Amino acid sequence: QVTLRESGPALVKPTQTLTLTCTFSGFSLSTSGMCVSWIRQPPGKALEWLALIDWDDDKYYSTSLKTRLTISKDTSKNQVVLTMTNMDPVDTATYYCARYTISAAGNRYHDYWGQGTLVTVSS
Amino acid sequence: QSALTQPPSVSGSPGQSVTISCTGTSSDVGSYNRVSWYQQPPGTAPKLMIYEVSNRPSGVPDRFSGSKSGNTASLTISGLQAEDEADYYCSSYTSSSTSYVVFGGGTKLTVL
Repeated sequence: QVTLRESGPALVKPTQTLTLTCTFSGFSLSTSGMCVSWIRQPPGKALEWLALIDWDDDKYYSTSLKTRLTISKDTSKNQVVLTMTNMDPVDTATYYCARYTISAAGNRYHDYWGQGTLVTVSS
Repeated sequence: QSALTQPPSVSGSPGQSVTISCTGTSSDVGSYNRVSWYQQPPGTAPKLMIYEVSNRPSGVPDRFSGSKSGNTASLTISGLQAEDEADYYCSSYTSSSTSYVVFGGGTKLTVL
């Protein structure tokens, strides 16, 4: 079955760089149509899509955060890594990774989600 | 401000039906049938409930249905049950230069 799990620091200081790892199983990121997104959710607020990497190593970013984000994958380890530079208290949120499937018919959706990891930015 | 607009809250009594709207633009909802809906009970991760406007993944009750007209998509939950109380988010692929995927601001469903 498909599972995803986020890992990384629970606490980072302002101006530091956050590195999060998504370790997944049940699918391969080298299979056509398979992608992984990072999505965050500040406490009590809405979901915000951050970045996506696809099976062909194409990368897409939220324009508002593009200068701070880098997404990469290690297909052999079944991992996707997100780095976010210059962290600020407003970046405090639960960070989720999710599988984004592009079906042969062109359907697109986040069908499996990790449990999320809460990252607090504070000095 | 979220790219897709949803009402902050809706409510209904058990057995009733409620509809949650999701308004986008011609860059997303209006031009593509790539609209999905997610249910998020408190303290849990989102769960896919509807994809491609109106398709239900295996295991999702047929009480949940989706539709779209123009730039607005809708999620209808019929025969409301207490367990349906949660936050609901719409999402869409977008051809906008500012993003690739957009989410709505979320709607809190209260079962009275």
